[in-house]
Amino acid sequence: GAGVSQSPRYKVAKRGQDVALRCDPISGHVSLFWYQQALGQGPEFLTYFQNEAQLDKSGLPSDRFFAERPEGSVSTLKIQRTQKEDSAVYLCASSSIPPGQSSGNTIYFGEGSWLTVV
Amino acid sequence: DAKTTQPPSMDCAEGRAANLPCNHSTISGNEYVYWYRQIHSQGPQYIIHGLKNNETNEMASLIITEDRKSSTLILPHATLRDTAVYYCISTNTGKLIFGQGTTLQVKP
Repeated sequence: GAGVSQSPRYKVAKRGQDVALRCDPISGHVSLFWYQQALGQGPEFLTYFQNEAQLDKSGLPSDRFFAERPEGSVSTLKIQRTQKEDSAVYLCASSSIPPGQSSGNTIYFGEGSWLTVV
Repeated sequence: DAKTTQPPSMDCAEGRAANLPCNHSTISGNEYVYWYRQIHSQGPQYIIHGLKNNETNEMASLIITEDRKSSTLILPHATLRDTAVYYCISTNTGKLIFGQGTTLQVKP
C-alpha cells in the first residue's frame, strides 16, 4: 500500500508489560511523527524524526516512552512498564519534506495502533 | 504556533454545503492554515491547507479572510460520510497541534 502502515492494529497489554508499536511511513518520506490520542480527545504530539535523527521529543510523557528510527525509514515506539493511563491510540504520520519549509507540507497519518492496558 | 478556536459541534443537512469556521486571530505571517478530519476509528485525514489565498481541491474549499484572522472550510455538498471531527490547525513548523475540533454531523 501507498499509505502509512502501523502494526499491531490492536494490542492488549497487562500492566507492567513492555510494548512495541511499529510504523512504516510512506516510502521516501523524510519526516515521521508520533501522536497519542486518548478517547474523546484530539491527537497529542509525542515526537518527531527527520530521517534517523530525533529532533523533537518534547511530547513524550515519561521516560518509559522511547522512539527510534535507526535507518531513517521504519520507526518503533516502545512503552516500558505500561500503565493504565497509557491506554490510547498511537498514531504515526509522515511527510515528504521537513517541517517549516515553504509551501507547507502535507502530513499523512496511519490508522493508528489501539493500545489497551489492563 | 497560533491557537485556533472552533465551535464544538455543527449540524448540516445532507446535500447542502457545510461551512466550518475557524478563528486564528494571533496567526503570524508565515503560518499556514491546515484542515484535517477524523472519522471514527480512523487516523486523521488531510483535507486542505493554505497561506493567504483561497484554495480548492476535490474535497473542499478553504476561504481565508484578508487579515488572515479567520478561515472557513466549505464542503460543497455534504454527504453522510462527511460526518467526522474537523480540525483547524495553524503552524509554521509543520508540527500539527490539534485542538478539540468541530464535530460535524451530517443528517439525512
